[in-house]
Amino acid sequence: SQQGEEDPQALSIQEGENATMNCSYKTSINNLQWYRQNSGRGLVHLILIRSNEREKHSGRLRVTLDTSKKSSSLLITASRAADTASYFCATDATRDDKIIFGKGTRLHILP
Amino acid sequence: EPEVTQTPSHQVTQMGQEVILRCVPISNHLYFYWYRQILGQKVEFLVSFYNNEISEKSEIFDDQFSVERPDGSNFTLKIRSTKLEDSAMYFCASRVSNTEAFFGQGTRLTVV
Repeated sequence: SQQGEEDPQALSIQEGENATMNCSYKTSINNLQWYRQNSGRGLVHLILIRSNEREKHSGRLRVTLDTSKKSSSLLITASRAADTASYFCATDATRDDKIIFGKGTRLHILP
Repeated sequence: EPEVTQTPSHQVTQMGQEVILRCVPISNHLYFYWYRQILGQKVEFLVSFYNNEISEKSEIFDDQFSVERPDGSNFTLKIRSTKLEDSAMYFCASRVSNTEAFFGQGTRLTVV
């Protein structure tokens, strides 16, 4: 299966701390994307990193990609209460036209 | 900012009934997708659609499911005879090509 697997499944941290979520996958990819989902709501695209990129930044987000290890990480710096959500990595394989989601990490920011 | 819109936001239907979920993708996008998410679970791929035909489908997307792009703007998912286990959030997505996908807010389908 191409599916990404995030860890940890759940993460609780104090507001202001950094949150790191990891994702592993199994097949060759064109790109890897991270999405956020607030409870019961739609999926919001956060950042896309291509297979030939190693690191990408967007505001307080930093994503890394290691294609040799088939893994990625999402770092959220200086977390805020509004960052409380589920975070999913999603892989876009080279062989087919579908984006496959991992199971997600539930992030809870404590006040 | 352009967005993917889905209607209705919530649909309640009786088991065995047909439902049609509607989506309006972003206008210049070429690739269209349906996903579903059973409450509290992962986001599951159902089908991708390009150039007026299905390009990929999952095992979930059996003969009870069909997709259509009837008029160049709408993209619909039909479930012919709903089952209790079809209750889920259904998300439509679109993208230009090998880029980020934009998702709608979803339709919550409840089969009773």
